[in-house]
Amino acid sequence: DGGITQSPKYLFRKEGQNVTLSCEQNLNHDAMYWYRQDPGQGLRLIYYSQIVNDFQKGDIAEGYSVSREKKESFPLTVTSAQKNPTAFYLCASMAGTGANYGYTFGSGTRLTVV
Amino acid sequence: AQSVTQLGSHVSVSEGALVLLRCNYSSSVPPYLFWYVQYPNQGLQLLLKYTSAATLVKGINGFEAEFKKSETSFHLTKPSAHMSDAAEYFCAVSDRYGGSQGNLIFGKGTKLSVKP
Repeated sequence: DGGITQSPKYLFRKEGQNVTLSCEQNLNHDAMYWYRQDPGQGLRLIYYSQIVNDFQKGDIAEGYSVSREKKESFPLTVTSAQKNPTAFYLCASMAGTGANYGYTFGSGTRLTVV
Repeated sequence: AQSVTQLGSHVSVSEGALVLLRCNYSSSVPPYLFWYVQYPNQGLQLLLKYTSAATLVKGINGFEAEFKKSETSFHLTKPSAHMSDAAEYFCAVSDRYGGSQGNLIFGKGTKLSVKP
């Protein structure tokens, strides 16, 4: 079945460490997104990529970095510059037009600073 | 810029009662609108979407929503709540025309509790 796989499901980071969250899709979607979810805040856009080798900052990109070397993969690195990284991170992809326009979400990674 | 407002961060209903979750959006162009459900520590599951076809949209698990352009609303309803409906619900609008083309803009979510 096609879908989005995020790993790991739970991740613990020490102060000052960089960590990378994986997002892989086999849907052949061009566009991919990273969102951060905090309680009571909804989902906020970190980075997005409309095509391979291109990506754009979202609303809260500071302290994060991404790459899009392959269509299937859009990893997110949480750097030490991100002062409050504890959150739930969701990856999504999008494709289609009109009635087929839609987004698919992964099951998320919960990152905790220890 | 587009935005989404969900009225009520928490809604509580009795089992069998009507569920009504409110969503208002702002957009200068006809939007695509979505409702998602999220269970604890899981991703988002699409309930239904409006993509400029019928204004009354039927989704999964007995949910439906009506797009009302004059009211800029897309409220989610279900005639009879079930215990399994307890979850967090998010309304979202697709920013198809701005600089971040194709991005979803989310409301802050509404947690639905269902009392036996």
